[in-house]
Amino acid sequence: GQQVMQIPQYQHVQEGEDFTTYCNSSTTLSNIQWYKQRPGGHPVFLIQLVKSGEVKKQKRLTFQFGEAKKNSSLHITATQTTDVGTYFCAAPYGSNDMRFGAGTRLTVKP
Amino acid sequence: NAGVTQTPKFQVLKTGQSMTLQCAQDMNHEYMSWYRQDPGMGLRLIHYSVGAGITDQGEVPNGYNVSRSTTEDFPLRLLSAAPSQTSVYFCASSPYPQPYYEQYFGPGTRLTVT
Repeated sequence: GQQVMQIPQYQHVQEGEDFTTYCNSSTTLSNIQWYKQRPGGHPVFLIQLVKSGEVKKQKRLTFQFGEAKKNSSLHITATQTTDVGTYFCAAPYGSNDMRFGAGTRLTVKP
Repeated sequence: NAGVTQTPKFQVLKTGQSMTLQCAQDMNHEYMSWYRQDPGMGLRLIHYSVGAGITDQGEVPNGYNVSRSTTEDFPLRLLSAAPSQTSVYFCASSPYPQPYYEQYFGPGTRLTVT
């Protein structure tokens, strides 16, 4: 089974609305990564969070790592059509691999 | 740099056939991995390698073989294709073994088994 649970599975927003996806783990994570996959494309690395309570921003994207390091979120402010795609979180599993969440597919209506 | 390349882009196989999906990277990355992506299930790790000559199983290794004879190449072999192996396959590489470094993904191979 998957290491991390990601919600929601789908999100449809009007352009200009905000969007948030969440990743939850039952165990404490050493770090968490976020990737974006455009329709028909391949996953592209966005960011990695390592510290408890860490918050990182990339333009309109805000990434948070929970204080207990068991959850993380990605928030997009004022979505644009270029934000369309599936957003995945990925967390360590064992010593040498990462397990991906099921992803949140974001669609944006112009 | 070409990054991570995969061939072929598309493939149709009949049940029972075997084939090899090719993956190469020109970034001198030690870590390489293979994932399959099915609708609603995210990316699932099939096999990975932490360096030439070293491979290990991931979450869903059954029906697949890998080898890593060079740093650059990491082919994935389907031994006897089954319809359940219909999926999109992604190869990825990273400078160092996971889980603390970003992975660079190839463009993918879309495989259909009939």
